[in-house]
Amino acid sequence: GAGVSQSPRYKVAKRGQDVALRCDPISGHVSLFWYQQALGQGPEFLTYFQNEAQLDKSGLPSDRFFAERPEGSVSTLKIQRTQQEDSAVYLCASSRLGGVSYNEQFFGPGTRLTVL
Amino acid sequence: DQQVKQNSPSLSVQEGRISILNCDYTNSMFDYFLWYKKYPAEGPTFLISISSIKDKNEDGRFTVFLNKSAKHLSLHIVPSQPGDSAVYFCAAVNDYKLSFGAGTTVTVRA
Repeated sequence: GAGVSQSPRYKVAKRGQDVALRCDPISGHVSLFWYQQALGQGPEFLTYFQNEAQLDKSGLPSDRFFAERPEGSVSTLKIQRTQQEDSAVYLCASSRLGGVSYNEQFFGPGTRLTVL
Repeated sequence: DQQVKQNSPSLSVQEGRISILNCDYTNSMFDYFLWYKKYPAEGPTFLISISSIKDKNEDGRFTVFLNKSAKHLSLHIVPSQPGDSAVYFCAAVNDYKLSFGAGTTVTVRA
């Protein structure tokens, strides 16, 4: 079956532009996560959705970052007024179940954002 | 603050020999530990896990060891194969949230 897909795969933005990154999770997966991976680092948690509810946004680095999942499937991560420090790979992951215990997360290929 | 650390950024090993990857953590609340493998331009894929109540888990060529008193885990790959060349991330689980190390790039030489 299809895995997690993300688009675009690459995005170049000028400083100050707004960007929107899309994630299509595995069909039927309840949970969806966004991670930010800076160069040479591991992924860092940004936010967590259970269906359409955003249960945890503690990792979002500033109020310029906004995520939504209005119908409980596709999610969009929006970054307003991009800065150079936002340059990173943005990874989306989904898992079959919801709740507070761990179940396996399946990752998409990521969107590489470069802010000039 | 980095709760999960992989202090070796790279490892080179000859094909057929053992690869040992190390990971240290600081948060004793972590209840699962995972290893992910990542090829260029792809997302991380799950490799093997261990519960905090175990000290060893084996799956084919891959074995993970957990030393809770030392807050240390390691991944052994035996024998190493060319297809194992990738970046390996250690991750720790607290509820649903994953905390990752910075990764170790493994290169398997023919």
